[in-house]
Amino acid sequence: NAGVTQTPKFQVLKTGQSMTLQCAQDMNHEYMSWYRQDPGMGLRLIHYSVGAGITDQGEVPNGYNVSRSTTEDFPLRLLSAAPSQTSVYFCASSYWGPVNSGNTIYFGEGSWLTVV
Amino acid sequence: ILNVEQSPQSLHVQEGDSTNFTCSFPSSNFYALHWYRWETAKSPEALFVMTLNGDEKKKGRISATLNTKEGYSYLYIKGSQPEDSATYLCASANSGNTPLVFGKGTRLSVIA
Repeated sequence: NAGVTQTPKFQVLKTGQSMTLQCAQDMNHEYMSWYRQDPGMGLRLIHYSVGAGITDQGEVPNGYNVSRSTTEDFPLRLLSAAPSQTSVYFCASSYWGPVNSGNTIYFGEGSWLTVV
Repeated sequence: ILNVEQSPQSLHVQEGDSTNFTCSFPSSNFYALHWYRWETAKSPEALFVMTLNGDEKKKGRISATLNTKEGYSYLYIKGSQPEDSATYLCASANSGNTPLVFGKGTRLSVIA
């Protein structure tokens, strides 16, 4: 089972460059999201999507764009990278909806991004 | 934004010791509480998902309790082993239509 796959694993960017972090899941999950992890800050939600064609902002959306054209894919775009965006990025997915059991989130392996 | 607090931020225990840490969340409009285990350079893995007040869940030497009326959950590790060293994250949601909010984690180091 592939689960949640995100690429690249490591990337170094120069300030002002653009790039896209790719994320794909094969579990037919409606919910997909991107988090960033910084020392002492835990996981902070950047953007999320509850289905194809639907996206919404999380806690720290500035400087990032997302789209959800298919159920499987949820790319994260940095349009003009800044040193403040140096971080570890995690893509995640789960089933979505008001199900009383609560839905476990499955994470990708992380992408280490350095902006110089 | 929902405020999820975890304490302590970090702790060191000796192999064989039992330990516990806390996750606090707003008790109003509670929906779900998750615990994840996160090893360095790996992706977080789910431990427990709890939704009902008084829930107790167990997986091997690790267990968790939930008190939604007072807004806290405890994670217990019995007889800590070096392989338990990781960051333990909790996350809460206040409805089925809003994303989980994560705490900053408790970093556990088990010394052999």
